[in-house]
Amino acid sequence: KAGVTQTPRYLIKTRGQQVTLSCSPISGHRSVSWYQQTPGQGLQFLFEYFSETQRNKGNFPGRFSGRQFSNSRSEMNVSTLELGDSALYLCASTTSREGRDTQYFGPGTRLTVL
Amino acid sequence: DAKTTQPPSMDCAEGRAANLPCNHSTISGNEYVYWYRQIHSQGPQYIIHGLKNNETNEMASLIITEDRKSSTLILPHATLRDTAVYYCIVRVGGGNSGGSNYKLTFGKGTLLTVNP
Repeated sequence: KAGVTQTPRYLIKTRGQQVTLSCSPISGHRSVSWYQQTPGQGLQFLFEYFSETQRNKGNFPGRFSGRQFSNSRSEMNVSTLELGDSALYLCASTTSREGRDTQYFGPGTRLTVL
Repeated sequence: DAKTTQPPSMDCAEGRAANLPCNHSTISGNEYVYWYRQIHSQGPQYIIHGLKNNETNEMASLIITEDRKSSTLILPHATLRDTAVYYCIVRVGGGNSGGSNYKLTFGKGTLLTVNP
């Protein structure tokens, strides 16, 4: 079974631009979550989507948004990029097995803002 | 979700067992203990999780104390490839796919260094 895939793996943008990252969950997984990882703040939850609806949201500004499609694939968008948005962006999809759910992470997209 | 406390770093000799402790003294009755690890610049990798019984899989064993206030992740025969940051996370299990909270709250974890 293929794992969580994220594209692109690396991205370089300049301040003020916007960026869209893509995530394809494991087949059959309906929940997709996004996280940001920086050296200073560690791994932080951005938001979670389930059946095309945002179900949970972390403490990030409105410049960070996302969506989920009917095939469970998800995208996240960051508008008006700032230097501090440079980070590893991780996507995770979730299964529920025997009443105990587990999140599986993709390899991440490394975003550098210049 | 309950907070966890882990030592910032640990060393282990290759081939020996690595025992990683985690304190979660404020854990609630419906909260599970999850362990993930992250090798440098890769996505976190799920290892194991449990509620109150000890669990074992092909990667590791999870020992949870009877009062559930602490747990230990055991890598029985550590290899150099096990060098990583290990995260202990406590959260409510969501259950069915229509269920609840799939947010994971990561702390700083333990950097395990396996030495040759």
